Amino acid sequence: ETGVTQTPRHLVMGMTNKKSLKCEQHLGHNAMYWYKQSAKKPLELMFVYSLEERVENNSVPSRFSPECPNSSHLFLHLHTLQPEDSALYLCASSQVVVDSPLHFGNGTRLTVT
Amino acid sequence: AQRVTQPEKLLSVFKGAPVELKCNYSYSGSPELFWYVQYSRQRLQLLLRHISRESIKGFTADLNKGETSFHLKKPFAQEEDSAMYYCALSGLSGNTPLVFGKGTRLSVIA
Repeated sequence: ETGVTQTPRHLVMGMTNKKSLKCEQHLGHNAMYWYKQSAKKPLELMFVYSLEERVENNSVPSRFSPECPNSSHLFLHLHTLQPEDSALYLCASSQVVVDSPLHFGNGTRLTVT
Repeated sequence: AQRVTQPEKLLSVFKGAPVELKCNYSYSGSPELFWYVQYSRQRLQLLLRHISRESIKGFTADLNKGETSFHLKKPFAQEEDSAMYYCALSGLSGNTPLVFGKGTRLSVIA
């Protein structure tokens, strides 16, 4: 599949577990993003990587830890999450140029029990 | 600060009726505005952007800087237009990510 791929599609984890979300893009983009979509809030930007360097972190709790080993891969490491962290986590990519739209993955539906 | 407001959570229209999805924004610089759409069980995808001045699937949107609005319009709604629509805002900087509104769910009734 071309475009932006996220795995797993669904994840259920306990509050003491450690898990990771994976995102891969095959579009040749050089910027990648993690967004969180909760039921009662608009899409929230969590992290931005541009040219493999983190350029923005919108005050996300430390229980979320991103990793961008190269321009095609992005991870979100999770540990000691809270039930309120249950949400759809969307990965996106784009070119680092003006008016470059985001290309989104299908997201990972995370449930914290 | 960037902010996008979509005042309607749900909009229901009959097939063939005109559609207008409202979007207002707040931004101190020159904005770039987008509409994204998410059809059922599909990923969020770009519908159109104001700088292109294009019509996609019969939808158009005009940036009104005086009213700070970017409403999405279509003269005749189709059932396949039923989806979640997000208005998004970015700045001119290439490193500025998009800020999304809460989204409006459009339901087209046959």
